Amino acid sequence: DAGVIQSPRHEVTEMGQEVTLRCKPISGHDYLFWYRQTMMRGLELLIYFNNNVPIDDSGMPEDRFSAKMPNASFSTLKIQPSEPRDSAVYFCASRQGTSSIFSGELFFGEGSRLTVL
Amino acid sequence: AQKVTQAQTEISVVEKEDVTLDCVYETRDTTYYLFWYKQPPSGELVFLIRRNSFDEQNEISGRYSWNFQKSTSSFNFTITASQVVDSAVYFCALSEATSGYALNFGKGTSLLVTP
Repeated sequence: DAGVIQSPRHEVTEMGQEVTLRCKPISGHDYLFWYRQTMMRGLELLIYFNNNVPIDDSGMPEDRFSAKMPNASFSTLKIQPSEPRDSAVYFCASRQGTSSIFSGELFFGEGSRLTVL
Repeated sequence: AQKVTQAQTEISVVEKEDVTLDCVYETRDTTYYLFWYKQPPSGELVFLIRRNSFDEQNEISGRYSWNFQKSTSSFNFTITASQVVDSAVYFCALSEATSGYALNFGKGTSLLVTP
């Protein structure tokens, strides 16, 4: 089975440009998470979706960040306009929800390394 | 507030030594899960273990073992007879019902195993 697929793996852009990161979760998983990893702040949860609906976006740093999940097999994280401090590795993860007690493991993609010059 | 504390930022050991990575968590939920992930230099996050709050039984998997103690809110990870390939950053994480079971990670412990 394919794992969580993220694209692009690496992105270098200039300040002010729009950046779109993409994620395809594992088929059948109904939770999707976006994390950001930096040296200073570690792994931070940005937003997560359940059945394509955003549940908690309190981790999204600013209005420049937006995330969507138009269907069960695709999500995007957009930064507009980008700034150098947005440079980080962005991870997407998915898991299968359960109707009762959570038991599912979080499966991570390989990450998208963003560099904003 | 930091819910998962990994007090050790970096640890360096010589191959074949045993090493314990500490993890202390904070939660008010009665149902929660604890995890350890490994992040090797290549950058991917590799799942190691998941424990639920109702199961305090310690677990051993090869050279890896985990000690879960609710009384001290700790979930420590021990590598026995460490190897160079164990060099990585190790993350402890907590997931709680009140947070939709999203993973809340500690800052990580960077382990360096030298020959």
